[in-house]
Amino acid sequence: NAGVTQTPKFRILKIGQSMTLQCTQDMNHNYMYWYRQDPGMGLKLIYYSVGAGITDKGEVPNGYNVSRSTTEDFPLRLELAAPSQTSVYFCASTTWPHTEAFFGQGTRLTVV
Amino acid sequence: KQEVTQIPAALSVPEGENLVLNCSFTDSAIYNLQWFRQDPGKGLTSLLLIQSSQREQTSGRLNASLDKSSGRSTLYIAASQPGDSATYLCAAGDSGSARQLTFGSGTQLTVLP
Repeated sequence: NAGVTQTPKFRILKIGQSMTLQCTQDMNHNYMYWYRQDPGMGLKLIYYSVGAGITDKGEVPNGYNVSRSTTEDFPLRLELAAPSQTSVYFCASTTWPHTEAFFGQGTRLTVV
Repeated sequence: KQEVTQIPAALSVPEGENLVLNCSFTDSAIYNLQWFRQDPGKGLTSLLLIQSSQREQTSGRLNASLDKSSGRSTLYIAASQPGDSATYLCAAGDSGSARQLTFGSGTQLTVLP
């Protein structure tokens, strides 16, 4: 039972490069979320999706984009990476109505 | 805008002690309140979920309470063990259609053998 799977686990990017963080869940959850966690801080919501084809901005969306073509996948795209995007990124999913949230293991991204 | 605060930021206790972690939130119109555990370099694991209509939830040695009117939740850990050492995060789920979670900064717990 895989749950929420994120790839890659670690990545180093140079300033200005782009990349896609992958997130897949096998629980048929409608709701999916992307958070970032900076050292010593709580998680901040970047983008979320309430179902395939529907996405919306969270608290800190600048510099990121998402898509949701299937129920299972919710990739996060970073365009023109900046040092301020150095963080740990978590993907999560949950059913409706909001029950237990399941999180992936995280992607640790460093922009140099 | 919902704000969630956790006190203390760090806590160190000897094994066997009972302890309480605190979480406060500014907007009482929450859908639920969740407590998570985070181990270093790992993702978050859900511990307890309290719906807005509930007052508490229990799982093994863990008990979480919710007082919406005062904007507070507490996580009680009984008979602490070294394996309980981790960061504990609380998150308030909003009542909007997205059910967004607003997280506190966490309490880093160390249980000394």
